[in-house]
Amino acid sequence: DAGVIQSPRHEVTEMGQEVTLRCKPISGHNSLFWYRQTMMRGLELLIYFNNNVPIDDSGMPEDRFSAKMPNASFSTLKIQPSEPRDSAVYFCASRSGTGRTGELFFGEGSRLTVL
Amino acid sequence: KQEVTQIPAALSVPEGENLVLNCSFTDSAIYNLQWFRQDPGKGLTSLLLIQSSQREQTSGRLNASLDKSSGRSTLYIAASQPGDSATYLCAVPLVNDMRFGAGTRLTVKP
Repeated sequence: DAGVIQSPRHEVTEMGQEVTLRCKPISGHNSLFWYRQTMMRGLELLIYFNNNVPIDDSGMPEDRFSAKMPNASFSTLKIQPSEPRDSAVYFCASRSGTGRTGELFFGEGSRLTVL
Repeated sequence: KQEVTQIPAALSVPEGENLVLNCSFTDSAIYNLQWFRQDPGKGLTSLLLIQSSQREQTSGRLNASLDKSSGRSTLYIAASQPGDSATYLCAVPLVNDMRFGAGTRLTVKP
Protein backbone atom coordinates (compact mmCIF):
# COMPACT_ATOMS: atom_id res chain seq x y z
CA ASP A 1 0.00 0.00 0.00
CA ALA A 2 1.22 3.52 -0.77
CA GLY A 3 0.40 4.83 2.68
CA VAL A 4 -1.56 7.98 3.45
CA ILE A 5 -1.26 10.38 0.54
CA GLN A 6 -1.58 14.12 0.96
CA SER A 7 -1.53 16.94 -1.54
CA PRO A 8 -0.21 19.48 -2.06
CA ARG A 9 3.05 18.99 -0.18
CA HIS A 10 3.65 22.73 -0.13
CA GLU A 11 1.26 25.62 -0.55
CA VAL A 12 2.09 29.31 -0.49
CA THR A 13 -0.86 31.66 -0.72
CA GLU A 14 -1.88 35.16 0.13
CA MET A 15 -4.12 36.14 2.98
CA GLY A 16 -7.78 35.88 2.06
CA GLN A 17 -7.35 33.12 -0.48
CA GLU A 18 -9.06 29.75 -0.26
CA VAL A 19 -6.88 26.75 0.50
CA THR A 20 -7.88 23.13 -0.05
CA LEU A 21 -5.80 20.27 1.31
CA ARG A 22 -6.45 16.72 0.20
CA CYS A 23 -5.97 13.32 1.75
CA LYS A 24 -6.26 9.73 0.58
CA PRO A 25 -6.22 7.35 3.57
CA ILE A 26 -4.90 3.83 3.50
CA SER A 27 -7.40 1.50 1.87
CA GLY A 28 -9.52 -0.29 4.43
CA HIS A 29 -8.89 2.20 7.22
CA ASN A 30 -12.12 3.46 8.72
CA SER A 31 -10.79 6.30 10.88
CA LEU A 32 -9.29 9.51 9.54
CA PHE A 33 -7.75 12.38 11.46
CA TRP A 34 -6.63 15.86 10.43
CA TYR A 35 -3.88 17.38 12.59
CA ARG A 36 -2.06 20.68 12.55
CA GLN A 37 1.53 20.98 13.75
CA THR A 38 3.33 24.15 14.75
CA MET A 39 6.47 24.75 16.77
CA MET A 40 4.52 26.60 19.43
CA ARG A 41 1.59 24.21 19.90
CA GLY A 42 2.84 20.86 18.67
CA LEU A 43 0.30 18.47 17.18
CA GLU A 44 -3.33 19.55 17.46
CA LEU A 45 -6.30 17.47 16.36
CA LEU A 46 -8.59 19.39 14.06
CA ILE A 47 -11.21 16.79 13.17
CA TYR A 48 -11.82 13.05 13.40
CA PHE A 49 -13.92 11.00 10.97
CA ASN A 50 -15.12 7.45 11.52
CA ASN A 51 -16.66 5.58 8.60
CA ASN A 52 -16.76 8.89 6.68
CA VAL A 53 -18.79 10.61 9.40
CA PRO A 54 -17.34 13.56 11.36
CA ILE A 55 -17.27 12.44 14.99
CA ASP A 56 -15.32 15.20 16.68
CA ASP A 57 -14.67 18.61 15.13
CA SER A 58 -14.07 20.44 18.38
CA GLY A 59 -10.51 21.19 17.31
CA MET A 60 -11.50 23.12 14.21
CA PRO A 61 -10.33 26.65 15.04
CA GLU A 62 -13.24 28.60 13.63
CA ASP A 63 -15.79 28.77 10.86
CA ARG A 64 -13.09 29.47 8.32
CA PHE A 65 -12.12 25.80 8.55
CA SER A 66 -14.22 23.01 7.11
CA ALA A 67 -13.59 19.35 6.36
CA LYS A 68 -15.39 16.75 4.32
CA MET A 69 -15.09 13.05 3.68
CA PRO A 70 -17.38 12.22 0.76
CA ASN A 71 -16.19 8.61 0.59
CA ALA A 72 -13.83 6.20 2.29
CA SER A 73 -10.90 7.08 0.06
CA PHE A 74 -10.89 10.87 0.09
CA SER A 75 -11.03 13.78 2.49
CA THR A 76 -10.50 17.52 2.17
CA LEU A 77 -9.66 20.28 4.61
CA LYS A 78 -10.60 23.74 3.43
CA ILE A 79 -9.62 27.11 4.82
CA GLN A 80 -11.57 30.10 3.55
CA PRO A 81 -10.43 32.83 3.91
CA SER A 82 -6.89 31.96 4.92
CA GLU A 83 -4.90 34.06 7.41
CA PRO A 84 -1.18 34.22 8.21
CA ARG A 85 -1.79 32.50 11.57
CA ASP A 86 -2.98 29.44 9.66
CA SER A 87 0.59 28.82 8.51
CA ALA A 88 1.52 25.35 9.73
CA VAL A 89 2.01 21.77 8.60
CA TYR A 90 -1.28 19.93 8.22
CA PHE A 91 -1.22 16.17 8.58
CA CYS A 92 -3.76 13.58 7.67
CA ALA A 93 -3.64 10.22 9.45
CA SER A 94 -5.67 7.04 9.16
CA ARG A 95 -6.22 4.04 11.38
CA SER A 96 -7.74 0.61 10.93
CA GLY A 97 -9.58 -1.54 13.41
CA THR A 98 -12.32 -0.84 15.84
CA GLY A 99 -12.18 1.67 18.62
CA ARG A 100 -8.69 2.60 19.68
CA THR A 101 -6.81 -0.60 18.98
CA GLY A 102 -5.41 0.09 15.53
CA GLU A 103 -2.10 1.54 14.42
CA LEU A 104 -2.10 5.16 13.29
CA PHE A 105 -0.36 6.09 10.04
CA PHE A 106 0.47 9.64 8.97
CA GLY A 107 0.87 11.24 5.59
CA GLU A 108 3.88 13.39 4.74
CA GLY A 109 1.93 16.55 5.48
CA SER A 110 1.00 19.73 3.63
CA ARG A 111 3.12 22.73 4.58
CA LEU A 112 0.98 25.85 4.31
CA THR A 113 2.38 29.35 4.25
CA VAL A 114 -0.07 32.24 4.22
CA LEU A 115 1.54 35.59 3.40
CA LYS B 1 -7.12 13.50 31.95
CA GLN B 2 -4.40 11.54 30.16
CA GLU B 3 -1.03 13.26 30.09
CA VAL B 4 2.00 11.92 28.24
CA THR B 5 5.49 13.03 29.15
CA GLN B 6 8.78 12.30 27.44
CA ILE B 7 12.12 12.73 29.10
CA PRO B 8 14.65 13.90 28.11
CA ALA B 9 13.54 16.54 25.63
CA ALA B 10 16.83 16.20 23.79
CA LEU B 11 19.60 13.64 23.77
CA SER B 12 22.96 13.57 22.04
CA VAL B 13 25.02 10.37 21.88
CA PRO B 14 28.05 9.13 19.96
CA GLU B 15 27.51 6.62 17.20
CA GLY B 16 27.36 3.01 18.34
CA GLU B 17 25.94 3.71 21.77
CA ASN B 18 22.84 1.93 23.04
CA LEU B 19 20.20 4.32 24.35
CA VAL B 20 16.81 4.45 26.02
CA LEU B 21 14.03 6.96 25.44
CA ASN B 22 11.36 7.30 28.11
CA CYS B 23 7.63 7.87 27.92
CA SER B 24 5.25 8.11 30.86
CA PHE B 25 1.47 8.39 30.95
CA THR B 26 -0.87 9.24 33.80
CA ASP B 27 -3.86 6.98 33.07
CA SER B 28 -2.90 3.31 32.95
CA ALA B 29 -6.19 2.32 31.25
CA ILE B 30 -4.73 2.45 27.77
CA TYR B 31 -5.54 0.30 24.75
CA ASN B 32 -2.05 0.51 23.33
CA LEU B 33 0.97 2.75 23.01
CA GLN B 34 2.61 3.77 19.77
CA TRP B 35 6.12 5.07 19.08
CA PHE B 36 6.75 7.37 16.13
CA ARG B 37 9.75 8.93 14.49
CA GLN B 38 9.66 12.35 12.84
CA ASP B 39 12.44 13.66 10.63
CA PRO B 40 12.62 17.43 9.99
CA GLY B 41 10.04 18.49 7.43
CA LYS B 42 8.51 15.04 7.30
CA GLY B 43 5.49 13.24 8.65
CA LEU B 44 5.39 10.90 11.60
CA THR B 45 6.52 7.37 10.84
CA SER B 46 5.12 4.58 12.97
CA LEU B 47 7.90 2.54 14.57
CA LEU B 48 6.16 0.20 16.98
CA LEU B 49 2.70 -0.38 18.39
CA ILE B 50 2.39 -2.19 21.71
CA GLN B 51 -1.06 -3.45 22.64
CA SER B 52 -2.07 -3.21 26.28
CA SER B 53 -1.73 -6.98 26.72
CA GLN B 54 1.88 -6.98 25.50
CA ARG B 55 5.04 -6.20 27.41
CA GLU B 56 7.45 -5.78 24.49
CA GLN B 57 7.68 -5.28 20.76
CA THR B 58 10.80 -5.51 18.65
CA SER B 59 11.66 -4.28 15.19
CA GLY B 60 15.25 -4.56 14.10
CA ARG B 61 17.44 -2.52 16.45
CA LEU B 62 14.39 -1.12 18.22
CA ASN B 63 12.73 -2.60 21.26
CA ALA B 64 9.78 -1.01 22.99
CA SER B 65 8.52 -2.06 26.40
CA LEU B 66 5.28 -1.28 28.18
CA ASP B 67 4.53 -1.32 31.90
CA LYS B 68 0.93 -0.24 32.32
CA SER B 69 0.91 -0.46 36.09
CA SER B 70 3.71 2.07 36.41
CA GLY B 71 2.54 4.16 33.44
CA ARG B 72 5.79 3.81 31.55
CA SER B 73 7.14 2.81 28.19
CA THR B 74 10.70 2.78 26.95
CA LEU B 75 12.16 2.71 23.46
CA TYR B 76 15.55 1.03 23.35
CA ILE B 77 17.76 1.71 20.34
CA ALA B 78 20.73 -0.59 19.95
CA ALA B 79 23.98 0.37 18.25
CA SER B 80 22.78 3.85 17.34
CA GLN B 81 23.64 5.32 13.94
CA PRO B 82 23.66 8.90 12.62
CA GLY B 83 20.60 7.97 10.55
CA ASP B 84 18.68 7.45 13.80
CA SER B 85 18.83 11.21 14.41
CA ALA B 86 15.23 12.41 14.56
CA THR B 87 12.50 13.31 17.01
CA TYR B 88 10.83 10.34 18.68
CA LEU B 89 7.28 10.64 19.95
CA CYS B 90 5.11 8.29 21.94
CA ALA B 91 1.31 8.43 21.89
CA VAL B 92 -1.69 6.74 23.46
CA PRO B 93 -5.20 6.67 22.00
CA LEU B 94 -8.05 8.65 23.50
CA VAL B 95 -11.71 8.27 22.55
CA ASN B 96 -11.49 10.50 19.48
CA ASP B 97 -7.84 11.47 19.38
CA MET B 98 -4.30 10.50 20.30
CA ARG B 99 -2.39 12.04 23.19
CA PHE B 100 1.17 12.70 22.06
CA GLY B 101 4.23 13.36 24.13
CA ALA B 102 6.29 16.41 23.22
CA GLY B 103 9.00 14.14 21.85
CA THR B 104 12.69 13.50 22.42
CA ARG B 105 15.03 15.02 19.86
CA LEU B 106 17.85 12.53 19.31
CA THR B 107 21.18 13.39 17.74
CA VAL B 108 23.64 10.61 17.01
CA LYS B 109 27.09 11.99 16.30
CA PRO B 110 29.40 10.20 13.84
